[in-house]
Amino acid sequence: KNEVEQSPQNLTAQEGEFITINCSYSVGISALHWLQQHPGGGIVSLFMLSSGKKKHGRLIATINIQEKHSSLHITASHPRDSAVYICAVIGASSNYQLIWGAGTKLIIKP
Amino acid sequence: KAGVTQTPRYLIKTRGQQVTLSCSPISGHRSVSWYQQTPGQGLQFLFEYFSETQRNKGNFPGRFSGRQFSNSRSEMNVSTLELGDSALYLCASSLLGVAQYFGPGTRLTVT
Repeated sequence: KNEVEQSPQNLTAQEGEFITINCSYSVGISALHWLQQHPGGGIVSLFMLSSGKKKHGRLIATINIQEKHSSLHITASHPRDSAVYICAVIGASSNYQLIWGAGTKLIIKP
Repeated sequence: KAGVTQTPRYLIKTRGQQVTLSCSPISGHRSVSWYQQTPGQGLQFLFEYFSETQRNKGNFPGRFSGRQFSNSRSEMNVSTLELGDSALYLCASSLLGVAQYFGPGTRLTVT
């Protein structure tokens, strides 16, 4: 079993829909990243959080440390949101190494 | 501030050759991490350098090596290239060690 599990693996939705991507992890962590990777490879860090909730524009990330679960939400989705979204955790004892989820491929159709 | 830069962006090599990739972190960042991304294996950690010292190392063979210079620029070297080394190599920099800012990557193709 992977230490970081994401669901779904693939998600196709219509423009305007509310999107939720989930991440569950089995290790103790000091923080969790949500990252976005566009075709071509470039990776952008969207959020780093260790508790509660963060919001940036149409993106919202939440984390529940007790349940070892995080969600990334996209409101009013747009075709430009199409990308791979990756959850990565920083293990509590891993000295800053990131443990990566497999990613969720999101396609937003116009 | 300029972002993380990686050179070259694309590279084609043949089996048995060696390759050196370069990463310039964000100014002031002392930590540089390297990752390999392949379709089958996803993102895998190679190593992390902090103030010219290798601080963490992933589970890769000794053909993969790196170094960091006093200006925090880092190089990654792969010797005796194999077909399976074809991948996107990503570099990330951070102030203290939490990889947060990624470069555009170097896409290496081994033929």
